[in-house]
Amino acid sequence: DTAVSQTPKYLVTQMGNDKSIKCEQNLGHDTMYWYKQDSKKFLKIMFSYNNKELIINETVPNRFSPKSPDKAHLNLHINSLELGDSAVYFCASSQDRVLDYQETQYFGPGTRLLVL
Amino acid sequence: AQSVTQLGSHVSVSEGALVLLRCNYSSSVPPYLFWYVQYPNQGLQLLLKYTSAATLVKGINGFEAEFKKSETSFHLTKPSAHMSDAAEYFCAVSGAGGTSYGKLTFGQGTILTVHP
Repeated sequence: DTAVSQTPKYLVTQMGNDKSIKCEQNLGHDTMYWYKQDSKKFLKIMFSYNNKELIINETVPNRFSPKSPDKAHLNLHINSLELGDSAVYFCASSQDRVLDYQETQYFGPGTRLLVL
Repeated sequence: AQSVTQLGSHVSVSEGALVLLRCNYSSSVPPYLFWYVQYPNQGLQLLLKYTSAATLVKGINGFEAEFKKSETSFHLTKPSAHMSDAAEYFCAVSGAGGTSYGKLTFGQGTILTVHP
């Protein structure tokens, strides 16, 4: 009965490859997010979707493309992986777009990506 | 624009001692403030949040935080540290307007070590 789940938990790949990370939430939330946590543990938002619509798109390279097939899923596809993409990627969700600024965000366990 | 500064990347306390983790924020709109905890190899979990209802906020695991607008601070405290409190703590700010809308901005994190 995990609230926000991510797969895979660990991902080791070569530079130049394309990979995807999947995220699913069973909380019935309307909004989902992707965050990147770098080696210094600094957390930064990448994207936010509400009911499959892109809401927040920070300054992220075009190689990163989020895809939301339905409001319970938000996947992250990364093309042409680079060394600097190595990080922990967290998916999160919150309930209500209108009150998003005060809604609790529920985080997944993270996906540890290592690009060699 | 909004930002968060956590003073002290590492804090070490003895079991039973007071825990004080410092957080200062900057926000051009009324802020909503959060403290999250991250245990090793896990996602973030909400400890408590300030959403303008009361300046002293009580959270889980005996933690509390006080919003002080004049000092732009939201420090996290716990009267008596427990070994299980050892983790990394993140302060975050969200805002109800402009480019801050629905976006959590995190501080750099503070690692809390509790020794016997």
